[in-house]
Amino acid sequence: DAKTTQPTSMDCAEGRAANLPCNHSTISGNEYVYWYRQIHSQGPQYIIHGLKNNETNEMASLIITEDRKSSTLILPHATLRDTAVYYCIVRVAGTSGSARQLTFGSGTQLTVLP
Amino acid sequence: NAGVMQNPRHLVRRRGQEARLRCSPMKGHSHVYWYRQLPEEGLKFMVYLQKENIIDESGMPKERFSAEFPKEGPSILRIQQVVRGDSAAYFCASSSGTGRDTEAFFGQGTRLTVV
Repeated sequence: DAKTTQPTSMDCAEGRAANLPCNHSTISGNEYVYWYRQIHSQGPQYIIHGLKNNETNEMASLIITEDRKSSTLILPHATLRDTAVYYCIVRVAGTSGSARQLTFGSGTQLTVLP
Repeated sequence: NAGVMQNPRHLVRRRGQEARLRCSPMKGHSHVYWYRQLPEEGLKFMVYLQKENIIDESGMPKERFSAEFPKEGPSILRIQQVVRGDSAAYFCASSSGTGRDTEAFFGQGTRLTVV
């Protein structure tokens, strides 16, 4: 799986959009970009994933560059409860109906400030 | 639809005892993954199981650790003769395994403390 690079930490004002970048310059054509977050002491929470098109769900938006070498997770209106470590993970999609394990890096500690 | 259920949430064991951690995947999920998170560190993959089969155990320590996912019942992560270095949060995740881009859902973890 391709390696990802994320900033160690970021701050964001409550109510503003939080934009979390991720570099994955060695991504392969069959690798997806996944985002998870881990709020302190809790299990990781799935946020969103995508292959090459931008994606949006009730939690966030995922913007993937045209060359797929980087992406940005956008939390449109950050709240204090969004304070967490955010992990960008790149991995090959499952084959034959199976899913592979996730490789977690260090992630970005997002702190939402009141 | 209940999420991934892990129990116990907290487990204290004395050195040399056995620890058994249980994970019930989400309904309809037949793929289970165990991860370990040592204090102040990231999550590390341990083992990937499907019903009655270990698919990938490349992250499992060679000794004292074992995992199973029987046909009936939860997945079990077993640690024999625990040592202080086994103190960590152990997370289980499950996925349906269907389709090419299935996401995994995590439980709240079991925090093992070895005293």
